[in-house]
Amino acid sequence: EVQLVESGGGLVQPGGSLRLSCAASGFTFRSYGMHWVRQAPGKGLVWVSRINSDGSSTSYADSVKGRFTISRDNAKNMLYLQVDSLRAEDTAVYYCATERASGFDPWGQGTLVTVSS
Amino acid sequence: QSALTQPASVSGSPGQSITISCTGTSSDVGSYDLVSWYQQHPGKAPKLMIYEGSKRPSGVSNRFSGSKSGNTASLTISGLQAEDEADYYCCSYAGSRTFVFGTGTKVTVL
Repeated sequence: EVQLVESGGGLVQPGGSLRLSCAASGFTFRSYGMHWVRQAPGKGLVWVSRINSDGSSTSYADSVKGRFTISRDNAKNMLYLQVDSLRAEDTAVYYCATERASGFDPWGQGTLVTVSS
Repeated sequence: QSALTQPASVSGSPGQSITISCTGTSSDVGSYDLVSWYQQHPGKAPKLMIYEGSKRPSGVSNRFSGSKSGNTASLTISGLQAEDEADYYCCSYAGSRTFVFGTGTKVTVL
C-alpha cells in the first residue's frame, strides 16, 4: 500500500524551529519529486515547497523562501521540511505529497504546526 | 504567486451537473496544460481527481471531468451525488518548478 506519514509538528513559539518528517512506503520513493503543502485552520491549500527525485533541485513559495528548507534521504525513504523563524501565519497542517504527472498523489494525513506564545 | 480564483461555493441537486471555474493568469493556467483538481472532505487529506487538465487517475469516477480555455480551467461534476459534497481545489504549475493552488470551492448537494 502506498503510504505517506508525516510527523514532527507541535506547538512552537514565534521565531522557533521544527523539523517535519514524512515517511514514505509502498512505492519507489527515489523516483518521484515530492512536495509540502500547508493548510491553515479553516483555510485553503497553499503550496510550500518541492524537491526533485534525487534532491538536487528545490523550489519554494515566496512566503517561506529563506526560512524553510526541504530535503530528502532516499536511502531511508524520508522527506523533510526544516522550518525556521516561524511566524503566527505559519500555523497550519503540513501535508507531504508525491508528484505524479504534475499532480499530487498520494498525500499524507498531515501534521499540525501551531506557532504561538 | 497569487492564488487562482475559484467561486467560494457551488450547489446543485442530486443528478444535476455543476461546473467549478479556476481562473489564473497567462503565467500559470494559461501557459501550461498542468492543472490538477483535488477533492477534500472535512478532516481528510486532499484526493487527486484530475491531472494534466483533463486526465482522471485510476479509480476516480468518470462523472468528474476537466477542461481549460485560456486562463480558466474548469471541473465538471455530472450526476451529482451526496458523496460529492466536499471542498474542491484547483492547482496549476506556475513555472520555475513552483505551483499555485486555487482559493477553494465548497460544493453543496441540495
